[in-house]
Amino acid sequence: DAKTTQPPSMDCAEGRAANLPCNHSTISGNEYVYWYRQIHSQGPQYIIHGLKNNETNEMASLIITEDRKSSTLILPHATLRDTAVYYCIVRVARGNYGGSQGNLIFGKGTKLSVKP
Amino acid sequence: DGGITQSPKYLFRKEGQNVTLSCEQNLNHDAMYWYRQDPGQGLRLIYYSQIVNDFQKGDIAEGYSVSREKKESFPLTVTSAQKNPTAFYLCASQRRDRGTNEKLFFGSGTQLSVL
Repeated sequence: DAKTTQPPSMDCAEGRAANLPCNHSTISGNEYVYWYRQIHSQGPQYIIHGLKNNETNEMASLIITEDRKSSTLILPHATLRDTAVYYCIVRVARGNYGGSQGNLIFGKGTKLSVKP
Repeated sequence: DGGITQSPKYLFRKEGQNVTLSCEQNLNHDAMYWYRQDPGQGLRLIYYSQIVNDFQKGDIAEGYSVSREKKESFPLTVTSAQKNPTAFYLCASQRRDRGTNEKLFFGSGTQLSVL
């Protein structure tokens, strides 16, 4: 699975949009981009995923560049409860369970601090 | 409510002792996983199971053992052979699906410390 690069930390003012970048320059054509977040001392929580089109759900938007070498997770109106470590992961979607389905490589992520 | 439950929240181990961490899910998921997280680090895969009565080693399986006798349960035993067991342990489950959404559902974790 492709490796990702994220800034170690970011700050964001409450109510503003938080834009979290992720570089995945070695991504393959069949690899998806997944985002999870982990609030302190809790289990990670799935946020969103995509292949090449931009995606939006109730939590966030995912913008993937045309060459797919980078992406940005957008939290449109950050709140204090969005303070967490955000993980960007790329991996193949293996529908036939031939390998390690859950072996998502969680790097150190980006620690987002939302400030009042 | 459907979900994945880990217990206990905090666990202490004495030297030479085996301890077992519980993980139960009522999401009817086929696949279950155990991860270890050290302070300031990402998650590392210990063991995973894709179906009842079958499991596979992850990246750091030495010193750990698991069983999968029931679909709902995937307990992890930290044996005395694991010399540095202090860490945050996370259990996750995943629906067996040929689609593209393979999101993991995580428990709230167990913090294991050595006395």
